[in-house]
Amino acid sequence: GENVEQHPSTLSVQEGDSAVIKCTYSDSASNYFPWYKQELGKRPQLIIDIRSNVGEKKDQRIAVTLNKTAKHFSLHITETQPEDSAVYFCAASIQYGNKLVFGAGTILRVKS
Amino acid sequence: GAVVSQHPSRVICKSGTSVKIECRSLDFQATTMFWYRQFPKKSLMLMATSNEGSKATYEQGVEKDKFLINHASLTLSTLTVTSAHPEDSSFYICSAREGSNQPQHFGDGTRLSIL
Repeated sequence: GENVEQHPSTLSVQEGDSAVIKCTYSDSASNYFPWYKQELGKRPQLIIDIRSNVGEKKDQRIAVTLNKTAKHFSLHITETQPEDSAVYFCAASIQYGNKLVFGAGTILRVKS
Repeated sequence: GAVVSQHPSRVICKSGTSVKIECRSLDFQATTMFWYRQFPKKSLMLMATSNEGSKATYEQGVEKDKFLINHASLTLSTLTVTSAHPEDSSFYICSAREGSNQPQHFGDGTRLSIL
C-alpha cells in the first residue's frame, strides 16, 4: 500500500522567513495530495491541495509543488507569521476523496 | 458549508465501559465516512472506511469487534469502542465526504481517556 514520508519532523523559523516541508510517496497511482494544518487538540484543516495533473499551485503565502517522476511534493510557506505555528501533515490518495495516507507530521514553530 | 460535527468532544470513563462516538454531516449527505485515530504527537491513522448502508472496511490490524462502526444514514456514522481499556485512550477523528470525487471534511475529534 501507499507509504508517505515527511521531513523534517520539527522546523523552527524566524518570523518573516520561509518554511519548506517535504513529502515523498511510494505509490505511483496516487494522484491527489492535500496538506493539512492542525492546531493542538483541533481538527485538521485543509490548507492547500494539488492533483497530479498540476505541477504547482499557489494560494497567497502558501504554495505546493509536485514532482510526479520523483514522487515527492513540498509545501512552501513564505513570510511566516506566529499564527502559522502548528503541526502540518501531508497526505496522498488514489483519487480525490478516497482514503488518505498521512505523513508523520511536521511541527512548525515561527519565532517572533 | 461542509460542516462535520463530532460528539462528544471528550470522554473520561472507567475500564470495561463501551463508548459511542457520533459523527454527523450537518449540511451535506455523506456517502462515505472515515474514522481515524491519533496518538499524541503522531499522525492520523485510518481505522476504517464506512459507506452508508453497508459494512465498514477496516484497515489491517484494527479489530472490528473492538471498534464497531455503524453508518445507518447519510448524515450519521457512529464508532463504538467496546469494553474500552487504557490502551484505547486516544484522539479519534472522523471525516466525511459527499461523493467519490469530493474532499474529506474533518470533525473536531473526540479525546477518549480510559481510567
